[in-house]
Amino acid sequence: DGGITQSPKYLFRKEGQNVTLSCEQNLNHDAMYWYRQDPGQGLRLIYYSQIVNDFQKGDIAEGYSVSREKKESFPLTVTSAQKNPTAFYLCASSSPGQTIGYTFGSGTRLTVV
Amino acid sequence: GQNIDQPTEMTATEGAIVQINCTYQTSGFNGLFWYQQHAGEAPTFLSYNVLDGLEEKGRFSSFLSRSKGYSYLLLKELQMKDSASYLCAVMTTDSWGKLQFGAGTQVVVTP
Repeated sequence: DGGITQSPKYLFRKEGQNVTLSCEQNLNHDAMYWYRQDPGQGLRLIYYSQIVNDFQKGDIAEGYSVSREKKESFPLTVTSAQKNPTAFYLCASSSPGQTIGYTFGSGTRLTVV
Repeated sequence: GQNIDQPTEMTATEGAIVQINCTYQTSGFNGLFWYQQHAGEAPTFLSYNVLDGLEEKGRFSSFLSRSKGYSYLLLKELQMKDSASYLCAVMTTDSWGKLQFGAGTQVVVTP
């Protein structure tokens, strides 16, 4: 079955460490996205990529980095420069004209300890 | 950018009807989506409107008025499992499929 997989589901990070969240899709979608969600809030766009080897900053890119070396993969690195990284991170993918909008991964909950 | 506004929380009784409003201000409107999100889970697709009017899908219906920048999601015959956050999201013609989300409306269904 086609889908989008995020791992791990739960992640704990010590302050000052970088951590990478995985996102893989086998839907052959061109576009991939990373969103951050804080309690009681909506989704805020971190980075997005429309094609391989290209990506753009979203609304809250500071302290994050991404790569898009393969169509299927769009990993997100939360760097030590991100001052408040504890949040729920959602990866999504889409193709032009898709009338369901996004297909979402199951999310990664990152906690800084 | 877009402004997307929806109420923070709504409470309704099991079996009742609830209407969640969403207003938006955007240029180049290219569709509006509603998603349901249970706590700690990913959003799931509910509906898509790009033309004015009502789209009905079982217990859920969604309405769009492009001239008013207004949509609503109607949940009928509420069930306890409908307790969730409901996200309104807008796509624009210049965004290449990128969605802008509202903050979500938390619906609480009581017995």
